[in-house]
Amino acid sequence: AQSVTQLGSHVSVSEGALVLLRCNYSSSVPPYLFWYVQYPNQGLQLLLKYTSAATLVKGINGFEAEFKKSETSFHLTKPSAHMSDAAEYFCAVRKTSYDKVIFGPGTSLSVIP
Amino acid sequence: DTEVTQTPKHLVMGMTNKKSLKCEQHMGHRAMYWYKQKAKKPPELMFVYSYEKLSINESVPSRFSPECPNSSLLNLHLHALQPEDSALYLCASSHGPQGRSGNTIYFGEGSWLTVV
Repeated sequence: AQSVTQLGSHVSVSEGALVLLRCNYSSSVPPYLFWYVQYPNQGLQLLLKYTSAATLVKGINGFEAEFKKSETSFHLTKPSAHMSDAAEYFCAVRKTSYDKVIFGPGTSLSVIP
Repeated sequence: DTEVTQTPKHLVMGMTNKKSLKCEQHMGHRAMYWYKQKAKKPPELMFVYSYEKLSINESVPSRFSPECPNSSLLNLHLHALQPEDSALYLCASSHGPQGRSGNTIYFGEGSWLTVV
């Protein structure tokens, strides 16, 4: 069965510092991979997705993620954190278009002024 | 435009009440979903409709009853709920299994349900 792990349930960074949120998946084949962000009291918003077209994926709000098959990872990064980035971030995997989306447990990002 | 609209945004209901949550999308998506989310947890899948037919029911109690009147609308009828059913209910949609690009799921803003 597929699974998604996100190392660190809570990450704190200073404003202007690098943001790194980790995601590892288990899958026998390269899956579809997604990062969603959830701001307080809101729904989930798609940040970016990997669908095998390119290993480095750029998303909204300056975020990007790199698919590394050898490490079964899809870590999310942003060069410079902004206060508005404080939110819950979920990594998700889908083996094929016919399969359910499996969500990771989430990482809460805090940005310190 | 990737927009899924949910109403109401907030709902408080008693354990004997009957209420409904509504969801609408106009992206031409043929798969629609209901998820339940508790605080600080990932969304949990409840139901999936594919081409207006119920394709997945994740063993959800019968006090939750989904309905898909047409390809743009999805309802969740609520009856005799328990306080532990209080949560954020998220509607979502996607192109459908034959869709492209991994069949990305797009979420609405959610309906906050409190059962008293």
